[in-house]
Amino acid sequence: GDSVTQMEGPVTLSEEAFLTINCTYTATGYPSLFWYVQYPGEGLQLLLKATKADDKGSNKGFEATYRKETTSFHLEKGSVQVSDSAVYFCALSEGGSQGNLIFGKGTKLSVKP
Amino acid sequence: EPEVTQTPSHQVTQMGQEVILRCVPISNHLYFYWYRQILGQKVEFLVSFYNNEISEKSEIFDDQFSVERPDGSNFTLKIRSTKLEDSAMYFCASRTPLSVRVHEQFFGPGTRLTVL
Repeated sequence: GDSVTQMEGPVTLSEEAFLTINCTYTATGYPSLFWYVQYPGEGLQLLLKATKADDKGSNKGFEATYRKETTSFHLEKGSVQVSDSAVYFCALSEGGSQGNLIFGKGTKLSVKP
Repeated sequence: EPEVTQTPSHQVTQMGQEVILRCVPISNHLYFYWYRQILGQKVEFLVSFYNNEISEKSEIFDDQFSVERPDGSNFTLKIRSTKLEDSAMYFCASRTPLSVRVHEQFFGPGTRLTVL
């Protein structure tokens, strides 16, 4: 079945460092891809999405490009801030009317000042 | 800004007891979901609900689970006889039916269920 694999955490970075969180997927069709973020004590929030190959999703300085050839959707940010400390989840949806999400395990990011 | 709310934030129960987890989705949303995350594991889909009936469910969602929309605002998940392995964070989500945002689900903060 469909699945999402993302890099194990935790990831600890200094402020202004470059961030990459790897995500790869397995899907039978042409899924939409998402990054969700969970700040401490809060629910999952959609960070960015891409619905077809070569699309780039971006938000709050984060970017991810839908790479069909490598089945990847890696999350990047050029300069992280302490406020980016959170758990990041990669997810896919095969679409259809229900749009059920399949998540990766989550990667905890800690940014130190 | 409208948001999905969940109560309680933490529920502790004894094995074999029934629990009801409550969610208030965003008011104009028509699709509703429950997910769960066992500590250290993936967020897993449990069930989706539309037009007052279950539209899809995972193999996790067995006869011990049920969902209901008892009125125009609440969406509940009931676990009939809890097991130790039901201990997890349970997330409710909802989305609009608009096709342009068909995949954007809005999540609540979760209910942490601890079964002793």
